[in-house]
Amino acid sequence: GENVEQHPSTLSVQEGDSAVIKCTYSDSASNYFPWYKQELGKRPQLIIDIRSNVGEKKDQRIAVTLNKTAKHFSLHITETQPEDSAVYFCAASRSAGNKLTFGGGTRVLVKP
Amino acid sequence: DAGVIQSPRHEVTEMGQEVTLRCKPISGHDYLFWYRQTMMRGLELLIYFNNNVPIDDSGMPEDRFSAKMPNASFSTLKIQPSEPRDSAVYFCASSTSGGASWNEQFFGPGTRLTVL
Repeated sequence: GENVEQHPSTLSVQEGDSAVIKCTYSDSASNYFPWYKQELGKRPQLIIDIRSNVGEKKDQRIAVTLNKTAKHFSLHITETQPEDSAVYFCAASRSAGNKLTFGGGTRVLVKP
Repeated sequence: DAGVIQSPRHEVTEMGQEVTLRCKPISGHDYLFWYRQTMMRGLELLIYFNNNVPIDDSGMPEDRFSAKMPNASFSTLKIQPSEPRDSAVYFCASSTSGGASWNEQFFGPGTRLTVL
């Protein structure tokens, strides 16, 4: 089955700096890669996703890049703000079956 | 749409008691997922359904756990008997296999279970 590894497990950045989280996956048939943000005591919420027909996608201060050859994808957050502090999860999925395999999560702390 | 609805939001019970968690998926979604989240084990998939049929229950920890989906708008996760190590936040999520947002999972608010 699919295996998703996520690094780092914790990340501390100064407000205004960039944060990068990296994930690798094992199943070459995976073609959907979402990122979820989970604030303390809340549910995971989708912040951005990418499908395998594109290599990069941006939404304001966040961007995701995908390298299908190397089987890795990354989340980039620019100009970090204190409200970006949360746990971020990457995941991977095939188009059939809808099952997501999640990474272990990255706890991001943005210091003012 | 109200999103995925879960009840109760909090449950405190004593060891040995039966616990039933409930979920109403987003209308029109044909996939439903049950997850468990703990600090030690992260986010674990317990079981998921497609069109009310269980597809993969390999994540269910043991026979004390069971899940049903009697119709497209309701699912239950039952623990009988409950144990302290079952204490966790249980999330339900739903998704659709069609349209532009296929595979995007929408999570409910979760049920925080404490077994004393």
